[in-house]
Amino acid sequence: EPEVTQTPSHQVTQMGQEVILRCVPISNHLYFYWYRQILGQKVEFLVSFYNNEISEKSEIFDDQFSVERPDGSNFTLKIRSTKLEDSAMYFCASSGEGAGEKLFFGSGTQLSVL
Amino acid sequence: SQQGEEDPQALSIQEGENATMNCSYKTSINNLQWYRQNSGRGLVHLILIRSNEREKHSGRLRVTLDTSKKSSSLLITASRAADTASYFCATANSGNTPLVFGKGTRLSVIA
Repeated sequence: EPEVTQTPSHQVTQMGQEVILRCVPISNHLYFYWYRQILGQKVEFLVSFYNNEISEKSEIFDDQFSVERPDGSNFTLKIRSTKLEDSAMYFCASSGEGAGEKLFFGSGTQLSVL
Repeated sequence: SQQGEEDPQALSIQEGENATMNCSYKTSINNLQWYRQNSGRGLVHLILIRSNEREKHSGRLRVTLDTSKKSSSLLITASRAADTASYFCATANSGNTPLVFGKGTRLSVIA
């Protein structure tokens, strides 16, 4: 069964450093998402991406965050200058059916900012 | 906010018992979905129910939706230890906006 893959599974960084989280969505999907989950808490929406542009973003997704689909297969989330409160599990998801439809999630990248 | 809120926050049952989890939401929805998350893993889609549906089944799962009460329930029948996980409801409103997840119910099934 096709799956969403995320790399790395764990990322440790120093506060103020830039990180790039990588995702390979399911190949025929057109809708891409990033969510995050602080340990044991709710899953929070960050951003959605369709047709090579951001379609929705939350208040969390400020100027420090950016997304890119550089080559037609990868979907990346960049945090320019990490803060302690950015420590969380970041999930990539994709959908082939449209916004608000069934999502396929990756296994996540655990980001720890020290 | 359309965010769903699950109830209870945590549930512990014996293997073989049924588990019922509830979700309430605030705004009109297009559909409501349930996802499962094993500890430290990604979310896995379980079932989607549309606003014009009242009940849906998938294997041992039964989902109901009451749009007048803005609530849904997920029933897992004949639970197994392997059902131990967190269960999240997620709502999609009618504006093609992204899914919004609740805080989840942590289910523990004791063998």
